[in-house]
Amino acid sequence: DAGVIQSPRHEVTEMGQEVTLRCKPISGHNSLFWYRQTMMRGLELLIYFNNNVPIDDSGMPEDRFSAKMPNASFSTLKIQPSEPRDSAVYFCASSLLGEQFFGPGTRLTVL
Amino acid sequence: GEDVEQSLFLSVREGDSSVINCTYTDSSSTYLYWYKQEPGAGLQLLTYIFSNMDMKQDQRLTVLLNKKDKHLSLRIADTQTGDSAIYFCAENRGGGADGLTFGKGTHLIIQP
Repeated sequence: DAGVIQSPRHEVTEMGQEVTLRCKPISGHNSLFWYRQTMMRGLELLIYFNNNVPIDDSGMPEDRFSAKMPNASFSTLKIQPSEPRDSAVYFCASSLLGEQFFGPGTRLTVL
Repeated sequence: GEDVEQSLFLSVREGDSSVINCTYTDSSSTYLYWYKQEPGAGLQLLTYIFSNMDMKQDQRLTVLLNKKDKHLSLRIADTQTGDSAIYFCAENRGGGADGLTFGKGTHLIIQP
């Protein structure tokens, strides 16, 4: 299995631009998670889906952040408009029976 | 206070055992995890333990869980230079289907 796939691996954008991060979970997994990692706040859960349905989005920092999971093999995290404080590494993870496997992450830099 | 607490740094000599400790606050946690992160990389799941277990061993790794004290530890036997990384403790409160709450991570430093 290829594991969790995320794209792009690196993204540099200017403040105010829209950013879309993509994730393909491990085939057969029914839960998908988005996390953010920063030096100051560590690893934080943003949102997660079970069977493509958003369950808990209380970690999404602001209305500028949105996430979708149109099918079992694809999810997006969108930031519009982006701000410099959104700079972080964004991880996607998937699971079936409790083990959560993480993707390589997307390093986002907002100038 | 923090939900999951870990020491920031641990320094050990190559060949010795490393013991990384973690405390958590939610007694309803069902799964507890250890992840490894190398510089610039993602999180690698090392091992996890279900809350009804006291111990789990997997090759050089031993996980001990003390539910009464809400204390989790990871022992790495015969520590090697390749073990140098940040180790994160995490808890899952929802039967395995919820998001994880992570500690801040312990930097394991290996001395030659």
